[in-house]
Amino acid sequence: KNQVEQSPQSLIILEGKNCTLQCNYTVSPFSNLRWYKQDTGRGPVSLTIMTFSENTKSNGRYTATLDADTKQSSLHITASQLSDSASYICVATRMDSSYKLIFGSGTRLLVRP
Amino acid sequence: KAGVTQTPRYLIKTRGQQVTLSCSPISGHRSVSWYQQTPGQGLQFLFEYFSETQRNKGNFPGRFSGRQFSNSRSEMNVSTLELGDSALYLCASSFSGGARGQETQYFGPGTRLLVL
Repeated sequence: KNQVEQSPQSLIILEGKNCTLQCNYTVSPFSNLRWYKQDTGRGPVSLTIMTFSENTKSNGRYTATLDADTKQSSLHITASQLSDSASYICVATRMDSSYKLIFGSGTRLLVRP
Repeated sequence: KAGVTQTPRYLIKTRGQQVTLSCSPISGHRSVSWYQQTPGQGLQFLFEYFSETQRNKGNFPGRFSGRQFSNSRSEMNVSTLELGDSALYLCASSFSGGARGQETQYFGPGTRLLVL
C-alpha cells in the first residue's frame, strides 16, 4: 500500500533550538520526496524536492535528507524562529504511467519564545 | 509575477447543491492540480489538468469534476454536495507538471467550503 507516515504528530520547541521531523514512505515505484511548509489558513509552500539519487538538500535553515534504501526522510530546522510555526508535510511521488503525490498527515510545529 | 489565485476564498452551501471553484495559475504555467484538505484525511489529490486535458486523476467520485480553459485557468465543480465535502480546496500550478512529477508546485491560498 502506498503511504507516507510522519512523526511526531506535533512538536513544541523553544525559539533558537533545532529540531528534526521524520517521514517514512512505502511508495513504489518511487520518483521523488518533497517537503512542504503550510502556515495556518494558507496553501503549502515547497521547501525541497529530492530524487532517489539525492541524499541531502538545503533551503536556508531547512535541510532535508533522504535514504532511499530505508525509505526514510528527515527535515532538520536549524536555529528555529517563531515564523517556523506551521505544519510540515512530507510528500512522496509515485511514478508509473503517470505521477501521483502521496501526502503524509503532517507534523505541526510550534515555536515558543 | 502574481501567484496562484483562487476564488472565492470562502463558501457556504447546503447539502444537494453544487459549487464551482476557480483557479488562475501563475502566468506561463500550464499544469493545474486540485487537492482536497480535511483535518481527518489531510491532503488528497483530486486531478490534474494540462493543456485543457485531464492528465491525472485521484480516487474521488464522479461528483467531482474539473476543466481547464485555453488560458490555463481551471475550474472545479462538485455536484450534489454532501456534508463530508466540507474542506479546504487547494489549487497548485507548475510549468508542465514534469514527466516525473519533479517540478515545484505553487499552491494558491485555497477555497474553504462549508456544507451545511
